Amino acid sequence: EAGVAQSPRYKIIEKRQSVAFWCNPISGHATLYWYQQILGQGPKLLIQFQNNGVVDDSQLPKDRFSAERLKGVDSTLKIQPAKLEDSAVYLCASSARPRVVEAFFGQGTRLTVV
Amino acid sequence: AQSVTQLGSHVSVSEGALVLLRCNYSSSVPPYLFWYVQYPNQGLQLLLKYTTGATLVKGINGFEAEFKKSETSFHLTKPSAHMSDAAEYFCAVRGWGSSNTGKLIFGQGTTLQVKP
Repeated sequence: EAGVAQSPRYKIIEKRQSVAFWCNPISGHATLYWYQQILGQGPKLLIQFQNNGVVDDSQLPKDRFSAERLKGVDSTLKIQPAKLEDSAVYLCASSARPRVVEAFFGQGTRLTVV
Repeated sequence: AQSVTQLGSHVSVSEGALVLLRCNYSSSVPPYLFWYVQYPNQGLQLLLKYTTGATLVKGINGFEAEFKKSETSFHLTKPSAHMSDAAEYFCAVRGWGSSNTGKLIFGQGTTLQVKP
C-alpha cells in the first residue's frame, strides 16, 4: 500500500514570496490533515479535511495560509506572502475516518524562508 | 481540552541501557495516547498506541508504554537501547466521543541520543 506522498521535499523562498505544497493521501482515506512543525516543537494542526470539507481550521493563519482539497483526494497548502516565522516542516497525514485511531504521515516538506 | 508534556527535551543513554521517555497528558475525556518516532528528514512513524483495554501496550522495535490513569502518564520504555533508536520521539493525545475530530495534540518532543 502506497503511503502519504508529499512534494516538494525541500523549498527555499524569500520572504513575501508565495509557495505551495502538495499532498496525496493514502488511497481511500477520507480524512486529511496538515500539520506545521517548527524546529524544536511538536507538530501543530493547521487544517483538517473530511472528504473535501473543512472540519477544523482554527489554527490556520487565514490572512496568509490557504488550503484546498478539491474532489476529496489530494490537497494543496499555500502560503502567500511568506514570513520568516513560516520556516518549518509541513506534514500531511491521512486516516480512513476521523474516528479511526491511526493517522499516517508523509515525509514532510521542509520550508526555509530567508 | 487536551495537552501533552514531555519531560526532558534530550535524553542520552548508553547502548544496551534502559530507555525511559516520560509523557504526561491532560484530558477532559478518556484519552487515546500515542508515541511517534521521527528520524532525521523523515515524517512521523507510529510506535504504539493506547485506546482502551490493556494498559501495557507493546509497539514496534521493542518499545512499550504503560497507561497510568491515576498518574496521567504514558511513559515509553525499551529494555535495551540500540544505536538505531537515536531519533526524536513525540507523545500525542487525542480525544474521543461525538466531538472528536481526530486531531492529535503533540508534546514538544524528546531527542534520544544513544552512545556507543
